[in-house]
Amino acid sequence: KAGVTQTPRYLIKTRGQQVTLSCSPISGHRSVSWYQQTPGQGLQFLFEYFSETQRNKGNFPGRFSGRQFSNSRSEMNVSTLELGDSALYLCASSPGQGDSNQPQHFGDGTRLSIL
Amino acid sequence: GESVGLHLPTLSVQEGDNSIINCAYSNSASDYFIWYKQESGKGPQFIIDIRSNMDKRQGQRVTVLLNKTVKHLSLQIAATQPGDSAVYFCADRPPEYSSASKIIFGSGTRLSIRP
Repeated sequence: KAGVTQTPRYLIKTRGQQVTLSCSPISGHRSVSWYQQTPGQGLQFLFEYFSETQRNKGNFPGRFSGRQFSNSRSEMNVSTLELGDSALYLCASSPGQGDSNQPQHFGDGTRLSIL
Repeated sequence: GESVGLHLPTLSVQEGDNSIINCAYSNSASDYFIWYKQESGKGPQFIIDIRSNMDKRQGQRVTVLLNKTVKHLSLQIAATQPGDSAVYFCADRPPEYSSASKIIFGSGTRLSIRP
């Protein structure tokens, strides 16, 4: 079955703008997590959504937000963009229920560059 | 508290040899561990996982070993091939997130294959 799909693959914005990134999970997966990947900080957890509810949150400012729709697709939004927000944003999905020891599967990310 | 996997940053291996990538974690209560492979321009790809009630698990050409006494995890790749070139991350899930999908990534080891 199809993997995790993220759109767009690349995005260029300027400081102060806002951006919305989209993620379609693997069919049947109800948990969607977002991560930020930078050379300096590595992979850092942003938040997780399950059944349209935020289930867990990382240590990022309130400018970073997300939501999940009834079909499990998720979006994340970053407002008032800063240069330091330049990163690869990764989405991962997992079944999210039942056996909690199930790996997350990642999309190929959205490369966000802030000018 | 947070649990982080610690890696050596680079590893160079002769093609055909076995590779061993090591990872140390800090939270002795972590109950689930995962190895991911990330190739350039792609998202992390799930390789293999292991639960804390196991000390060894084998997959296709890969073996994960877990030593809970010294909080050490290793990934062994048999007969390393050029396609194995990538950054390898270990990740764990602290027990307080057992009902969620938050995982903590280490800093990664870049595996290079010599012809």
